[in-house]
Amino acid sequence: GAVVSQHPSWVICKSGTSVKIECRSLDFQATTMFWYRQFPKQSLMLMATSNEGSKATYEQGVEKDKFLINHASLTLSTLTVTSAHPEDSSFYICSARGRGFSNQPQHFGDGTRLSIL
Amino acid sequence: GESVGLHLPTLSVQEGDNSIINCAYSNSASDYFIWYKQESGKGPQFIIDIRSNMDKRQGQRVTVLLNKTVKHLSLQIAATQPGDSAVYFCAENIGGDYGQNFVFGPGTRLSVLP
Repeated sequence: GAVVSQHPSWVICKSGTSVKIECRSLDFQATTMFWYRQFPKQSLMLMATSNEGSKATYEQGVEKDKFLINHASLTLSTLTVTSAHPEDSSFYICSARGRGFSNQPQHFGDGTRLSIL
Repeated sequence: GESVGLHLPTLSVQEGDNSIINCAYSNSASDYFIWYKQESGKGPQFIIDIRSNMDKRQGQRVTVLLNKTVKHLSLQIAATQPGDSAVYFCAENIGGDYGQNFVFGPGTRLSVLP
């Protein structure tokens, strides 16, 4: 149980392109989803937290107009990197948490490797 | 925050030996801790968790120890196998029921030698 699917797994695109990444909870309702960015050999850096039906909460230093997050249903959240540039190249990972208190695991997707040329 | 140029600590162990991965956490009020395993190119995978009212918890081949006095968490892997090679992250729940409440450690790379 508690499977999170992330799509696509790898994207290569030209500078200036907007890229949408999907995160789906397959067998549970995800009231909260988290989006992380991970650079090589580093830990996960939280970008934003999204709760179903409300606006995402962004961490300090993360541009909300650059990284658009939509959490329209209890099973789907999307991250759109708008007008992506080479410095946006990274590994983006989503996680999801079901209903209940915060002291339960987040379940992670397998990440999306974004390469901007 | 983000640490530019940080190299992951690496632990190398012989196949069949026991591994101990350590983690120092920051918040004395943290009440819940998780160990995740991340293989190359994949997302973190839940291994085991422990609540602050416990000192020890065992799973299949893994044991987590919590020392609240010194804010230290460890993951012990028994009879380490090649498939255990990965980066291991500890995460602490810094509280709050809404939004961000987990802080991840810097990670440790476990390499299993044949």
